[in-house]
Amino acid sequence: DADVTQTPRNRITKTGKRIMLECSQTKGHDRMYWYRQDPGLGLRLIYYSFDVKDINKGEISDGYSVSRQAQAKFSLSLESAIPNQTALYFCATSAGTSGIDEQFFGPGTRLTVL
Amino acid sequence: KNQVEQSPQSLIILEGKNCTLQCNYTVSPFSNLRWYKQDTGRGPVSLTIMTFSENTKSNGRYTATLDADTKQSSLHITASQLSDSASYICVVSFAGGTSYGKLTFGQGTILTVHP
Repeated sequence: DADVTQTPRNRITKTGKRIMLECSQTKGHDRMYWYRQDPGLGLRLIYYSFDVKDINKGEISDGYSVSRQAQAKFSLSLESAIPNQTALYFCATSAGTSGIDEQFFGPGTRLTVL
Repeated sequence: KNQVEQSPQSLIILEGKNCTLQCNYTVSPFSNLRWYKQDTGRGPVSLTIMTFSENTKSNGRYTATLDADTKQSSLHITASQLSDSASYICVVSFAGGTSYGKLTFGQGTILTVHP
């Protein structure tokens, strides 16, 4: 987990507020991902980036935006938070240099929107 | 729609016992299948990754099997320990078109090991 860090680890906010979740990695990987996890559901992809100039929407990107500030940094923003965005958010990285392309996950950010 | 279904949803066993978790998937074409362990409050950690040509892979007390014909996988845990208490997630990678490498996650099996 130390190779992929997420801040904050926990956040409580109110409906309508703008929130930014940050992810940093020291693995030297080009690819970075944002997922959300809800109880009883599998992780779902929000956005992914294969390099600094490449940003792609995942399956549930509505209501979210991202910024890839550098190879090591990938931020997720909720422009106007709503209660159904309450979830556990994970950042992941991968090297993209093999067919398997194993992903390594951060410790997660628990977000609560009141 | 590509899906990954895991069973059981939860499982309680006694320390030292063995258990097997199941995963069925409909992802096609298939690239590889992964099992992750997720401790409470932590991110998922990879246990095994198998391509379509592999039918078994071990990682210590964890052994994963894959039957690509029936689209089924299992994760067998031998001589369980208290530290095995976690959620185990089956993840399948898609091999087709512009979504190459896209991962589909199962909902996980929550394993609790009691002393």
